[in-house]
Amino acid sequence: DAGVTQSPTHLIKTRGQQVTLRCSPKSGHDTVSWYQQALGQGPQFIFQYYEEEERQRGNFPDRFSGHQFPNYSSELNVNALLLGDSALYLCASAGRGRTDTQYFGPGTRLTVL
Amino acid sequence: DQQVKQNSPSLSVQEGRISILNCDYTNSMFDYFLWYKKYPAEGPTFLISISSIKDKNEDGRFTVFLNKSAKHLSLHIVPSQPGDSAVYFCAASGGNDYKLSFGAGTTVTVRA
Repeated sequence: DAGVTQSPTHLIKTRGQQVTLRCSPKSGHDTVSWYQQALGQGPQFIFQYYEEEERQRGNFPDRFSGHQFPNYSSELNVNALLLGDSALYLCASAGRGRTDTQYFGPGTRLTVL
Repeated sequence: DQQVKQNSPSLSVQEGRISILNCDYTNSMFDYFLWYKKYPAEGPTFLISISSIKDKNEDGRFTVFLNKSAKHLSLHIVPSQPGDSAVYFCAASGGNDYKLSFGAGTTVTVRA
């Protein structure tokens, strides 16, 4: 049973560029959440997708957008990259219930130069 | 506004002894709590959870205790093993929130 997978593993971009990160949820899960983890901090919630709609959003600017596909996989897009966007981006999948455990992928390390 | 706080950035414990990790929260709407473990270059791995209707949940070497009146939870690892050396995150959710709110993490080092 495959767990949550993310691609790419690492990414280097320059300021002002755009980036797309991808996530495939664990088998049987239909909800995908994205988190940003800066160095030395805990993960910060970006948004959650369910039934191809953004169900909840954290305190992130509109430069951060996402999409969920009919097969439940998801993309995170970040436009106009800033140096401060350098972080580990984590995807988590879960069942549809609020207290369903979220299982995390290995993350994508984004470096903005 | 940090609603989940792990005030000890690090903990060092001898192999075979008990590790106790603490977590405090401020949001009284939180009713579901989780602990995750994270190794470098990997995503967080789910360890154990507890609902606010309980005050204790046990799974093998891991036990989580919840004190709702104090808005405090703790994770006990007994006995500690070298493979337990990792960063441990406390997380919570509640109300209409689907998101998890995380603490900053505690780095555990198990000494031989």
